[in-house]
Amino acid sequence: SQQGEEDPQALSIQEGENATMNCSYKTSINNLQWYRQNSGRGLVHLILIRSNEREKHSGRLRVTLDTSKKSSSLLITASRAADTASYFCATDDEGNTDKLIFGTGTRLQVFP
Amino acid sequence: NAGVTQTPKFQVLKTGQSMTLQCAQDMNHEYMSWYRQDPGMGLRLIHYSVGAGITDQGEVPNGYNVSRSTTEDFPLRLLSAAPSQTSVYFCASSYSLAGGSFDNEQFFGPGTRLTVL
Repeated sequence: SQQGEEDPQALSIQEGENATMNCSYKTSINNLQWYRQNSGRGLVHLILIRSNEREKHSGRLRVTLDTSKKSSSLLITASRAADTASYFCATDDEGNTDKLIFGTGTRLQVFP
Repeated sequence: NAGVTQTPKFQVLKTGQSMTLQCAQDMNHEYMSWYRQDPGMGLRLIHYSVGAGITDQGEVPNGYNVSRSTTEDFPLRLLSAAPSQTSVYFCASSYSLAGGSFDNEQFFGPGTRLTVL
C-alpha cells in the first residue's frame, strides 16, 4: 500500500496567491521528499527534509515536517502560472530504507 | 549527460504479448527503480535495484521481471501483457543509498506510455 496521501487532491488558485499542499504518511521515516510533475513529463525533485528537521526553505518553497503527526506540508509562495503541475511527497520507511514510496499527489492549477 | 533515458515513448500491445521497456542512465548511479503511474493512484514501485546483479520487488511486482547486468541499464520485462498493465511507466535512478536512509534525490526518465488491448 502507498505510504503517503496528499491533500487536497486538486487545488486551483490565482497567480500571486500561496499554495499549500499536505502529505500524511503511515510509518516512521528517515526523510521525506517532494517532487513536481509537469503534464506528460517525469518527476523532478524539489526538496528533501530529514526526520530531525522541522522546516526547510528553497526559494519560494517552504516545507514543514511534523513526525509526531506523520505529516508534511509544502507551501509555494507567490505562485506563478509555471507552477501548474502535480506535486508528490515521497518517503522511505525507517524499517526498509531501500524503497522510496510516493503519495497520490496534488494537482495544482495556477491561473494567470 | 543524457540523464535517464527510456524507450520506447509509446507502445501498444495485445493481451498476451511480451515486451521489454528499456531504461538507461549515464550518471553512474547504483540505485535504479521502476514505477507505474495510474490516474488517481500516484506512483507505485514495481521493482528496484541497489546495484548491478541485485534486484528486489516493490509494491506491485506481479507480471513484471527485471535484471541488472550493468550499472547503466535496468530493463523491465512484461511477460504476458494484460489490460491491467495499461499505464505510464517511469524509470528512476539515484546515487547509492547512504547511511541507512534514502536521502538522495531520484532522477526520472520521461516515461513510457503503454496500452494493452
